[in-house]
Amino acid sequence: DAGVIQSPRHEVTEMGQEVTLRCKPISGHNSLFWYRQTMMRGLELLIYFNNNVPIDDSGMPEDRFSAKMPNASFSTLKIQPSEPRDSAVYFCASSLGAGPGWGYTFGSGTRLTVV
Amino acid sequence: TQLLEQSPQFLSIQEGENLTVYCNSSSVFSSLQWYRQEPGEGPVLLVTVVTGGEVKKLKRLTFQFGDARKDSSLHITAAQPGDTGLYLCAGAGNDMRFGAGTRLTVKP
Repeated sequence: DAGVIQSPRHEVTEMGQEVTLRCKPISGHNSLFWYRQTMMRGLELLIYFNNNVPIDDSGMPEDRFSAKMPNASFSTLKIQPSEPRDSAVYFCASSLGAGPGWGYTFGSGTRLTVV
Repeated sequence: TQLLEQSPQFLSIQEGENLTVYCNSSSVFSSLQWYRQEPGEGPVLLVTVVTGGEVKKLKRLTFQFGDARKDSSLHITAAQPGDTGLYLCAGAGNDMRFGAGTRLTVKP
């Protein structure tokens, strides 16, 4: 398996533009997580899905952020409109389950810069 | 929110030295995981500990889960430059929350 695949690896966009980040989880994993990592705040959980259904989106910072998982092999995180403070590395992770004890496999991340 | 505090925040040592990093919380976790993250990559799972007092070894790395399942430690023996990275602990509740990490540098 190629692991969790994220695209793009890097994204530079202007403030106000729409940004879409993509994730392909490991086949057979039924839980998917979106995290954001910054030096100031570390790794923050934004949202997670179980069997394609959003379970907890309490970490989504604002209405400008939205996430979808239309099927078991694809998820998107969209920011519209983007702002400079959204600059961070965004990680997608998948696991066999969302409950305690399941190890997460992370993608390589998308480094987003909003200028 | 279950907060995980990791210490030290930064650690720089010479190759061959031993070190211990800590992960502490006021909350009880059903399990706790340690990850290592290298620059430009996502965190990679090292170990999961589940039982209070559990000790797991991974080559030169020894992981311990506190008896009360609120804290954990990672001990590295004879550190090598390849151990350099950000070490993150994550506690499992309804989802996985991460500590801020210990950034380890091992100098040759």
